[in-house]
Amino acid sequence: SQQGEEDPQALSIQEGENATMNCSYKTSINNLQWYRQNSGRGLVHLILIRSNEREKHSGRLRVTLDTSKKSSSLLITASRAADTASYFCATDAGPGAGTALIFGKGTTLSVSS
Amino acid sequence: KAGVTQTPRYLIKTRGQQVTLSCSPISGHRSVSWYQQTPGQGLQFLFEYFSETQRNKGNFPGRFSGRQFSNSRSEMNVSTLELGDSALYLCASSLTTQTGYEQYFGPGTRLTVT
Repeated sequence: SQQGEEDPQALSIQEGENATMNCSYKTSINNLQWYRQNSGRGLVHLILIRSNEREKHSGRLRVTLDTSKKSSSLLITASRAADTASYFCATDAGPGAGTALIFGKGTTLSVSS
Repeated sequence: KAGVTQTPRYLIKTRGQQVTLSCSPISGHRSVSWYQQTPGQGLQFLFEYFSETQRNKGNFPGRFSGRQFSNSRSEMNVSTLELGDSALYLCASSLTTQTGYEQYFGPGTRLTVT
């Protein structure tokens, strides 16, 4: 079953604008990861944030984590057409579950030039 | 380093047949996980292998099985295929079996069951 939901399901913006995607989850986590998927291909790891971290940056990406609200957000600044993809948040599946990830349903981002 | 490779990339099978998919992890990675992606159910964890042992299993029927070889390469098998098994099957490798480590995904195998 899905751990959580991404919001919005779809987002259309112009190049240069910022894109914000939100993710909510249901159970306690050790960490949360964001992945990108281009048109039904493999997933590309973007960033991992641990439960004791509140914010993390990587290039044009900024991720926040609010464990009290069980939510995370991914901000992509100065979007480019190449950022067009689906974005998924994924959480660990709990104690003893190894590397198993629980994914949300994803946000489809479309960036037009 | 070469990335995760999956073969074949595309596969068409008939209901009732069986299929074997292959995954070669990044060199040095010992953990291999498999995921199924469908439009309706999204990405779902199938199982994880580490050092030739299945460490975790998702909520899938026994028709889905897998194994890992001593060189960390992994295969998954689906027997008695059903139409609902049509999906993108993704393999991911990781350095360890502990949580908190990023996983590297392959390009996937697109399975179509007719």
